Amino acid sequence: RKEVEQDPGPFNVPEGATVAFNCTYSNSASQSFFWYRQDCRKEPKLLMSVYSSGNEDGRFTAQLNRASQYISLLIRDSKLSDSATYLCVAASGGSYIPTFGRGTSLIVHP
Amino acid sequence: DVKVTQSSRYLVKRTGEKVFLECVQDMDHENMFWYRQDPGLGLRLIYFSYDVKMKEKGDIPEGYSVSREKKERFSLILESASTNQTSMYLCASSLLDRAEQYFGPGTRLTVT
Repeated sequence: RKEVEQDPGPFNVPEGATVAFNCTYSNSASQSFFWYRQDCRKEPKLLMSVYSSGNEDGRFTAQLNRASQYISLLIRDSKLSDSATYLCVAASGGSYIPTFGRGTSLIVHP
Repeated sequence: DVKVTQSSRYLVKRTGEKVFLECVQDMDHENMFWYRQDPGLGLRLIYFSYDVKMKEKGDIPEGYSVSREKKERFSLILESASTNQTSMYLCASSLLDRAEQYFGPGTRLTVT
């Protein structure tokens, strides 16, 4: 199956920092993109969808670059509670079976 | 809010035992999935189902089977548990034509 690649990290940042993650996908037919957040020993939870025009939800901004086949997640003003693993997800058009990346670990320290 | 529940949070079984993991969702989702998650390997799809009594193999179906007798319930069966099936098992559901999945809390299975 087509892959979704992420830098596993960990990204170690101080509180208040801005941090960005990228993820690349190999299936050019991918149409739907998401970011999930997974806390230690918990289930993944949908953080946000990623739209072609880019979208923002509070401190979180997601962007899509179809030409280069990557999506990004920007977190501004990082909080301690943002510490988690962030999973990048892509699904091809008409498919309800997404492909998950292996996740990027973020550690926000005081 | 979508709610996906799994029958156990922690389970310890012996090698050779038959193991049943149950998953129930309350949002009338058509699609249901079983994954396992291991450190460094990410989420791996075991089986999925898009309708009652329908099932499709995922990437790693060997050693597992599934059952979907009711729309809201999807069971994962380990016919004869082995130590390499020690893992975190996650159930998820989604609407028929949507890729956004909602996960249950997971079952951490240890096979000794």
